[in-house]
Amino acid sequence: NAGVTQTPKFQVLKTGQSMTLQCAQDMNHNSMYWYRQDPGMGLRLIYYSASEGTTDKGEVPNGYNVSRLNKREFSLRLESAAPSQTSVYFCASSAGTNNQPQHFGDGTRLSIL
Amino acid sequence: SQQGEEDPQALSIQEGENATMNCSYKTSINNLQWYRQNSGRGLVHLILIRSNEREKHSGRLRVTLDTSKKSSSLLITASRAADTASYFCAPLSGRRALTFGSGTRLQVQP
Repeated sequence: NAGVTQTPKFQVLKTGQSMTLQCAQDMNHNSMYWYRQDPGMGLRLIYYSASEGTTDKGEVPNGYNVSRLNKREFSLRLESAAPSQTSVYFCASSAGTNNQPQHFGDGTRLSIL
Repeated sequence: SQQGEEDPQALSIQEGENATMNCSYKTSINNLQWYRQNSGRGLVHLILIRSNEREKHSGRLRVTLDTSKKSSSLLITASRAADTASYFCAPLSGRRALTFGSGTRLQVQP
């Protein structure tokens, strides 16, 4: 089972460039999430989608947009990348938002110069 | 949403010893989840304990929950070098997304 697949695994951008991070899950989960993790820190929630057709802001949504393309796919877009967005980005999915464990991808390591 | 605070921030033990890490949170919860993160990887779900449960076991893992103290602990018995990782707790209140603290970094020396 693939679980949660994130692409790309690594990316280097210049300030001001745009980028879309892709995430797909094959577990028929309703809910999907995007987090960022900075060095030595925990994960901070950027956006989540409780179900297909809905998206909600998390703790740190500024500078990001998301699209729940279908039940499987949830993308994260940086319209104008800034050095402060250098981080590791994780996508996760769960059957629902309550009382359900989350399953994580292995992350996208993004550097913005 | 609320996040848990893990304690200690770092823990170093010898293989075969037990490792205990703690989590505190601020408001009432529906459940609390523990996750592990190996270096360079995503988080892996370990165990979920509901607010009406006091203790739960899974293999070498034992989780306790004290809702009166708003705290939880994760015990790993007979630790192995492969248990070296960061451990995160995630308390969940209502229909909200999980948030995570900074974690406990566990180093198990062979």
